[in-house]
Amino acid sequence: DTGVSQDPRHKITKRGQNVTFRCDPISEHNRLYWYRQTLGQGPEFLTYFQNEAQLEKSRLLSDRFSAERPKGSFSTLEIQRTEQGDSAMYLCASSSPGRLFEEQFFGPGTRLTVL
Amino acid sequence: QKEVEQNSGPLSVPEGAIASLNCTYSDRVSQSFFWYRQYSGKSPELIMSIYSNGDKEDGRFTAQLNKASQYVSLLIRDSQPSDSATYLCAGSMRFGAGTRLTVKP
Repeated sequence: DTGVSQDPRHKITKRGQNVTFRCDPISEHNRLYWYRQTLGQGPEFLTYFQNEAQLEKSRLLSDRFSAERPKGSFSTLEIQRTEQGDSAMYLCASSSPGRLFEEQFFGPGTRLTVL
Repeated sequence: QKEVEQNSGPLSVPEGAIASLNCTYSDRVSQSFFWYRQYSGKSPELIMSIYSNGDKEDGRFTAQLNKASQYVSLLIRDSQPSDSATYLCAGSMRFGAGTRLTVKP
């Protein structure tokens, strides 16, 4: 399967714990995006990378959230000191270089539950 | 005003009918737009992209873009029960809240 993969698919944690999610994009895609989605809402933009550079970060993203893409391949999203309001589906997407760079392909998501 | 807004629905149409989904956007959003389909419990799947004013057709789907009115739409012809899903409009990495479509047999 050459699609976007995410790990883990589900994560249950206690409030105050740190969690880290991983995303592996489609191999030739140089852009990688992170979104958060809650029930009944569309995906909310968090951040995106072009290769290893983080080009944009949502103003809504608190300093408890950090993302990296150290070698321009896979990416990690870390949430520190989780809160119940962080419970959501975290989606990763990737897109190819060139004219179609905005056509994004999504992974299956990581569902986070904070108790 | 949200950057991308959709008529939240839900929308229900009989099988074989045309489903019409609408979206408006603010000046802060780019001029390229995308429609994604999201089945319950699944991640969004790209179904249409449109970059220029006018219509773009792909099978039973037609996307329409009107830049002067900042309006994007998606028409689904000959709707099938398998089209029942939430449809998300997006531009510049900003998504609308989605419109839930149900196609009744």
